[in-house]
Amino acid sequence: NAGVMQNPRHLVRRRGQEARLRCSPMKGHSHVYWYRQLPEEGLKFMVYLQKENIIDESGMPKERFSAEFPKEGPSILRIQQVVRGDSAAYFCASSPSWETQYFGPGTRLLVL
Amino acid sequence: QQQVKQSPQSLIVQKGGISIINCAYENTAFDYFPWYQQFPGKGPALLIAIRPDVSEKKEGRFTISFNKSAKQFSLHIMDSQPGDSATYFCAASNGETSGSRLTFGEGTQLTVNP
Repeated sequence: NAGVMQNPRHLVRRRGQEARLRCSPMKGHSHVYWYRQLPEEGLKFMVYLQKENIIDESGMPKERFSAEFPKEGPSILRIQQVVRGDSAAYFCASSPSWETQYFGPGTRLLVL
Repeated sequence: QQQVKQSPQSLIVQKGGISIINCAYENTAFDYFPWYQQFPGKGPALLIAIRPDVSEKKEGRFTISFNKSAKQFSLHIMDSQPGDSATYFCAASNGETSGSRLTFGEGTQLTVNP
């Protein structure tokens, strides 16, 4: 009965590189959410996906960020040309319905 | 109108005492209010949640009190223990219009002294 899995747990990138974060939802969960937590701050919604569909990306920066949840495989949050301000913890949550969300352990991204 | 304001920012309580964390919201369309507990280096873990059709929900030592008219809700931790030391986040969502994305408060860092 595995929980939400995220990898890598820690990721170091230099400015200008790409960061790719993966999230495997809990078994039976078809709703995936991504949130970002800046140091000493609360979590901010980024994007909500269901299988093969982006439902709500209103919290996603317009440039350099993209997300997908393919029919097979994990959900991926991609950050292109990373900048220092992208350094944060990125959390994925999954849900079997629209309500209760279960969070993964997060990916800590550090941009040098 | 999407904000959730949380207080206090930090809280120190003696073992056995009651910890109280408060949240206020603006969007009257919110209809689901969970509380999450987060330990350093970990993801948020769902603690307890309430819907606005009830004024109180209790699970073990944790109680949510909800005041719909005041647009406020609070978390009470009875008989606080050192193991409760963590950051607590309130949140709110409206599944119908926002796709259930959670709007979080700023967090409260709770320290329970032995």
